[in-house]
Amino acid sequence: KAGVTQTPRYLIKTRGQQVTLSCSPISGHRSVSWYQQTPGQGLQFLFEYFSETQRNKGNFPGRFSGRQFSNSRSEMNVSTLELGDSALYLCASSLVTGGNYEQYFGPGTRLTVT
Amino acid sequence: AQKVTQAQTEISVVEKEDVTLDCVYETRDTTYYLFWYKQPPSGELVFLIRRNSFDEQNEISGRYSWNFQKSTSSFNFTITASQVVDSAVYFCALSERETSGSRLTFGEGTQLTVNP
Repeated sequence: KAGVTQTPRYLIKTRGQQVTLSCSPISGHRSVSWYQQTPGQGLQFLFEYFSETQRNKGNFPGRFSGRQFSNSRSEMNVSTLELGDSALYLCASSLVTGGNYEQYFGPGTRLTVT
Repeated sequence: AQKVTQAQTEISVVEKEDVTLDCVYETRDTTYYLFWYKQPPSGELVFLIRRNSFDEQNEISGRYSWNFQKSTSSFNFTITASQVVDSAVYFCALSERETSGSRLTFGEGTQLTVNP
């Protein structure tokens, strides 16, 4: 069974640009969550999508947005990039929403903003 | 609000030593879930274990064991007879009841280095 896949794996963008990251969950999984990992702030929750609806949102500015498609694939978008957005963005999928279900993570997208 | 603390930033051991990673959590919920994840240099978080707040039974799985104590809000992880391949960053995480969805709150992580 294929794991969680994320594309692209690496990305270099310039300040002020926007970026879209993609995540394909494990087949059959309907919940997708996004996390940002930086050396200073650690792993922080961005948002979760379940059945194409945003289920939960972390404490990030409105420049960070996401969506989920009917096949459970998810995208996250960051507009007007700032240097501080440089991070590893991890996507996780679980069967359904809820804390009692294991989440499986993808390899991440390494975003560098210059 | 929920919080997870991993006081050990870095641990270095010699192969075959036992090592325990500490995790302390804070939550107001009576129902919650605790996790341990491993992050090797490749970057992908690997799920190790999940524990429910109402199940304090400790568990052993091969060289891994977990000690969950609600009285001290701790969920510690022990590797017995460590190996070089165990070198990674280990994260403890907390998820509150189902109304919070799948949101995980992570600790700061503990960098474990196992030297040959």
